[in-house]
Amino acid sequence: DAKTTQPTSMDCAEGRAANLPCNHSTISGNEYVYWYRQIHSQGPQYIIHGLKNNETNEMASLIITEDRKSSTLILPHATLRDTAVYYCIVRPGQGGSEKLVFGKGTKLTVNP
Amino acid sequence: EAGVAQSPRYKIIEKRQSVAFWCNPISGHATLYWYQQILGQGPKLLIQFQNNGVVDDSQLPKDRFSAERLKGVDSTLKIQPAKLEDSAVYLCASSFTSGGAYEQYFGPGTRLTVT
Repeated sequence: DAKTTQPTSMDCAEGRAANLPCNHSTISGNEYVYWYRQIHSQGPQYIIHGLKNNETNEMASLIITEDRKSSTLILPHATLRDTAVYYCIVRPGQGGSEKLVFGKGTKLTVNP
Repeated sequence: EAGVAQSPRYKIIEKRQSVAFWCNPISGHATLYWYQQILGQGPKLLIQFQNNGVVDDSQLPKDRFSAERLKGVDSTLKIQPAKLEDSAVYLCASSFTSGGAYEQYFGPGTRLTVT
């Protein structure tokens, strides 16, 4: 079973920031938080991952709370092409199972 | 850099028939995964290969599903005989190696419909 909890769906206006929350209250010390997204009829696409520090790349920012029990994925300026299902996944970095255990994710709809 | 290639993209078969899917991972990627995604759900891992060896096949229904990666590059997933509940998208993914925080790269998937 997935170790994360996400809202089923969210809406966001084009050009605004999209903030997607994720709860992972049972996360272990060696487990990373990964985010993937899946655009309709495509395979999942890696977005970002982090352990304890906040991370930023060209696609998004990841904010992890100090107790690591929750995180937020931020798309700073959402576009229509960001409409997708976003998956938050907890996974060991070293020495553990490498499989990605997907939940149902959050369906993000970006509206014009 | 070429992505993960899969074929066919779509397949329709009748129950009890057999079907095979092919995957070519990103060049240099030692680890290959097959996932099954049923409509409305997230992908579920079926099998993981490290080079040509199986790392995890705990969720593969071995009475009807089989997979191989003979030369440590391409892989084939087979279903024989197919059941109605096998209707799903079958996703192949690859990563540079195992043992680390490496991201997985997914192919476009094969949509299987069993009638």
